[in-house]
Amino acid sequence: GDSVTQMEGPVTLSEEAFLTINCTYTATGYPSLFWYVQYPGEGLQLLLKATKADDKGSNKGFEATYRKETTSFHLEKGSVQVSDSAVYFCALAPGQFYFGTGTSLTVIP
Amino acid sequence: GAVVSQHPSWVICKSGTSVKIECRSLDFQATTMFWYRQFPKQSLMLMATSNEGSKATYEQGVEKDKFLINHASLTLSTLTVTSAHPEDSSFYICSASGTFNGYYEQYFGPGTRLTVT
Repeated sequence: GDSVTQMEGPVTLSEEAFLTINCTYTATGYPSLFWYVQYPGEGLQLLLKATKADDKGSNKGFEATYRKETTSFHLEKGSVQVSDSAVYFCALAPGQFYFGTGTSLTVIP
Repeated sequence: GAVVSQHPSWVICKSGTSVKIECRSLDFQATTMFWYRQFPKQSLMLMATSNEGSKATYEQGVEKDKFLINHASLTLSTLTVTSAHPEDSSFYICSASGTFNGYYEQYFGPGTRLTVT
């Protein structure tokens, strides 16, 4: 069945460091791929998405490219800030959403 | 973007009582609404899917008599946790699927934290 495998955390980085959170997926069709962010005590916020192969989603300095050949959708940011500290979820949706386990990111000054 | 609200955002109840959580799509009509449960430091688990005017479809292992879902209109779904117990304490998140500004996608609510004492 459809599933998402996400890099386990927690991840701790210094401010301005480069961030990569790996996400790979298994799907029978052609799903849309998403990254959601969850700040402490809050719900999910859509960070970015891509709906077809080779699409790049980007928002707030984060980006991810839908790679069909490697079934991946890795999240990257060139220079993280303290305010990026949160839990990040990779998800795919061929209709119903399937979420990864989440990766906690802490950025220290 | 489209807004999905949940009420209440936080509720404490005594063991044995029932609690109702509302999920509303504020600026679009939601043909389908989903209810998720999130345990601390874990991912979201889909509990059930509901379409307006029909019975909800529950995921395996979710007790439908304990978690009552009603989707009476295109903008409102409710989740009632009946005879709540401490193990029902969790973060409940709803999402709504619909078309907003020409785009069909799923929008998530901010979540409701339930604590059963």
